[in-house]
Amino acid sequence: GQSLEQPSEVTAVEGAIVQINCTYQTSGFYGLSWYQQHDGGAPTFLSYNALDGLEETGRFSSFLSRSDSYGYLLLQELQMKDSASYFCAVHSGTYKYIFGTGTRLKVLA
Amino acid sequence: DAGVIQSPRHEVTEMGQEVTLRCKPISGHDYLFWYRQTMMRGLELLIYFNNNVPIDDSGMPEDRFSAKMPNASFSTLKIQPSEPRDSAVYFCASSHEGSSYEQYFGPGTRLTVT
Repeated sequence: GQSLEQPSEVTAVEGAIVQINCTYQTSGFYGLSWYQQHDGGAPTFLSYNALDGLEETGRFSSFLSRSDSYGYLLLQELQMKDSASYFCAVHSGTYKYIFGTGTRLKVLA
Repeated sequence: DAGVIQSPRHEVTEMGQEVTLRCKPISGHDYLFWYRQTMMRGLELLIYFNNNVPIDDSGMPEDRFSAKMPNASFSTLKIQPSEPRDSAVYFCASSHEGSSYEQYFGPGTRLTVT
């Protein structure tokens, strides 16, 4: 079968650093995406990793290890507006995408 | 650009009725995706189109569901007849050839079937 696992919820304080992990088991793998979704909103694209290593985009970074079938999203200098759900998504086949169940991030003042 | 446009934003209907959801992708995008999101099952890919042609509909749950893309700027997802278990938020997303991993989602249609 195909599966993605993420923690259901993470809590951190403003200004802190938080890491959201994603492990996957899929029949094919081209890359790993991350999306952010605020309550009542639509998912918005954050990052994509096709190769092993760290990709940095401002306060957000994403890491991939293909050999470990593992990736993470790192959020630095947390702000209240970062409170949202974060989804990893595996690009598992030609334009085929499988989303994880999401991690709800709560940022406390 | 206005982004991906979906209508209606909310739909409440009775079991057995036909429901049609509409989507206008971003101009110039080659790929269009339909997703369904529920608390229990998360975000599921239902079907996607490339240049208006359906490529993979393996995620469509049943024959009650059908999708069309008559031209590059319009797609529909139809449920006939609708059932209470179809209640969910339905998202349409579009993307460019070569960067399909960067999908732009519409605001979604919240469907409630009573």
